[in-house]
Amino acid sequence: SQQGEEDPQALSIQEGENATMNCSYKTSINNLQWYRQNSGRGLVHLILIRSNEREKHSGRLRVTLDTSKKSSSLLITASRAADTASYFCANAGGTSYGKLTFGQGTILTVHP
Amino acid sequence: EPEVTQTPSHQVTQMGQEVILRCVPISNHLYFYWYRQILGQKVEFLVSFYNNEISEKSEIFDDQFSVERPDGSNFTLKIRSTKLEDSAMYFCASSPQGASYNEQFFGPGTRLTVL
Repeated sequence: SQQGEEDPQALSIQEGENATMNCSYKTSINNLQWYRQNSGRGLVHLILIRSNEREKHSGRLRVTLDTSKKSSSLLITASRAADTASYFCANAGGTSYGKLTFGQGTILTVHP
Repeated sequence: EPEVTQTPSHQVTQMGQEVILRCVPISNHLYFYWYRQILGQKVEFLVSFYNNEISEKSEIFDDQFSVERPDGSNFTLKIRSTKLEDSAMYFCASSPQGASYNEQFFGPGTRLTVL
């Protein structure tokens, strides 16, 4: 399997529900980042969790990191229709120059 | 709020032609990147650039590709002889430090269509 795989590949929920997306990676990391991409647009950084952190919050976002399982999860609480987008995890590992290795992404649809 | 800009937003070219994609990173950033995303696929790293030289490149970034920071503000990606499979969205990104420490800021992308 490829590094940085998210599951599920697609998630459809109602407004107000929570959305959880998971990401697995293969190599060691300096940090793991989550990005959002609206259809046909650029990537927007959401949150960064360092390898020595286990959990991080930012507004309605909660990210966890389990380095023993090489996995991370992104939780969006109280989702809104505007959260509809693709969500990618990206592994910033290896060199200090910061190459990001992206996963396949989760397509989230929030129905009003 | 400062942002990364890219031009053009859409470029159509004939196979075998040269294209130059342009980016203006955020002004005080030191690390610059190009990524591409083929339609329906994941974002792929092409190259990173620091201190006026390539710091890392992927297998995709072969001799047909080159990058340049000609004037201290622009950052360009040149594809010397385009192929059909070069059709993709190309994203420029910049970071104040390498993404090992910080997030990357992405531009809106240039959609390249090779006919």
